[in-house]
Amino acid sequence: KAGVTQTPRYLIKTRGQQVTLSCSPISGHRSVSWYQQTPGQGLQFLFEYFSETQRNKGNFPGRFSGRQFSNSRSEMNVSTLELGDSALYLCASSLDTPYNEQFFGPGTRLTVL
Amino acid sequence: ELKVEQNPLFLSMQEEKNYTIYCNYSTTSDRLYWYRQDPGKSLESLFVLLSNGAVKQEGRLMASLDTKARLSTLHITAAVHDLSATYFCAVDRGANAGGTSYGKLTFGQGTILTVHP
Repeated sequence: KAGVTQTPRYLIKTRGQQVTLSCSPISGHRSVSWYQQTPGQGLQFLFEYFSETQRNKGNFPGRFSGRQFSNSRSEMNVSTLELGDSALYLCASSLDTPYNEQFFGPGTRLTVL
Repeated sequence: ELKVEQNPLFLSMQEEKNYTIYCNYSTTSDRLYWYRQDPGKSLESLFVLLSNGAVKQEGRLMASLDTKARLSTLHITAAVHDLSATYFCAVDRGANAGGTSYGKLTFGQGTILTVHP
């Protein structure tokens, strides 16, 4: 069974640009969550999507947005990039059973110059 | 707001020694997860603990959950170099805790484990 895939794996952008990251969940998983990982703040929850609906959102500015498609694939977008957005962005999928075991993709390493 | 704290944050161990990583969380939850992350890699699921008193073991790692104390432990037995990694605990509030976390795991800071010969 294929795992969670994320593209691209690495990105370099400059301040003010925007970026779109993509995530394909494990087949059959309908819940997709996104996290930002930085050395200073650790792992922080961005948002979660289920059946094309955002069900939960973390404490990030509106520059961070996402969406989910009917095949459960998800994208997240960051507009007007800032230096502090440099991070590893991780996507995780789950079956949305009563418990929430999440399976993580390899991540997208975003560097903002 | 749910807070999750791990200690120690750094752990330097000798091979064949035993040690324990602690994970404390601030609000009611009966769902706790342990993950491993190797440098530059993603998170690998190690254990899912779903009830008070739950104990899971895999190889040299054993995890337990005490929901009354809001504490989970990850015990390492006879460490080997291959266990060197960063270990995270994560908590999911869940409906039973009066919240609906919908895909949100709250992570501890991580414990960087280094095993020396």
